[in-house]
Amino acid sequence: EDQVTQSPEALRLQEGESSSLNCSYTVSGLRGLFWYRQDPGKGPEFLFTLYSAGEEKEKERLKATLTKKESFLHITAPKPEDSATYLCAVPSYAGGTSYGKLTFGQGTILTVHP
Amino acid sequence: ETGVTQSPTHLIKTRGQQVTLRCSSQSGHNTVSWYQQALGQGPQFIFQYYREEENGRGNFPPRFSGLQFPNYSSELNVNALELDDSALYLCASSGSGAHTDTQYFGPGTRLTVL
Repeated sequence: EDQVTQSPEALRLQEGESSSLNCSYTVSGLRGLFWYRQDPGKGPEFLFTLYSAGEEKEKERLKATLTKKESFLHITAPKPEDSATYLCAVPSYAGGTSYGKLTFGQGTILTVHP
Repeated sequence: ETGVTQSPTHLIKTRGQQVTLRCSSQSGHNTVSWYQQALGQGPQFIFQYYREEENGRGNFPPRFSGLQFPNYSSELNVNALELDDSALYLCASSGSGAHTDTQYFGPGTRLTVL
């Protein structure tokens, strides 16, 4: 069964202090990797999809990268509004011919202090 | 373009009761997936519906059932509620049942079972 592990569980940064979140995965075959941001009590908000090792995507202060075993979400000069839980997920076998199930990690809770 | 909507926002039930949660998919999407998210955990896949047919199921008992309607909206029904069913229930829509499609999440329904 596919597994996704995120580290650290929680990360506290000062505003402007850059860092990275890790998402490691064990899958039968990589079919992509998704990053989401989730604010407390709300649904996950889509950030990025990565499909192959070496791929990188950027959005504002966030940059996601992918290797054969893990993905990183780099946060450059974060602001307090970047505080949220960051989730990564991989598509997994769901039965029949479907690989539409997303297997999520437990998330990294990011807090950015002003 | 209208995003994914869910109703109700919050719900309180007692053990043994039945509950129905509703989801309207994003315009142009024909696939709906349901997830359960316990506090501090990543979302867990319940099932997916593609063009009104179940297209994959996670490790949830049969008392979790669903429907998808011709307009691609969906319902999640849970019978014989248990205390452990207390969670945030998330609905996500995507353009097709393909694993490469991004799943866009709604705001969730917070279910409390007393």
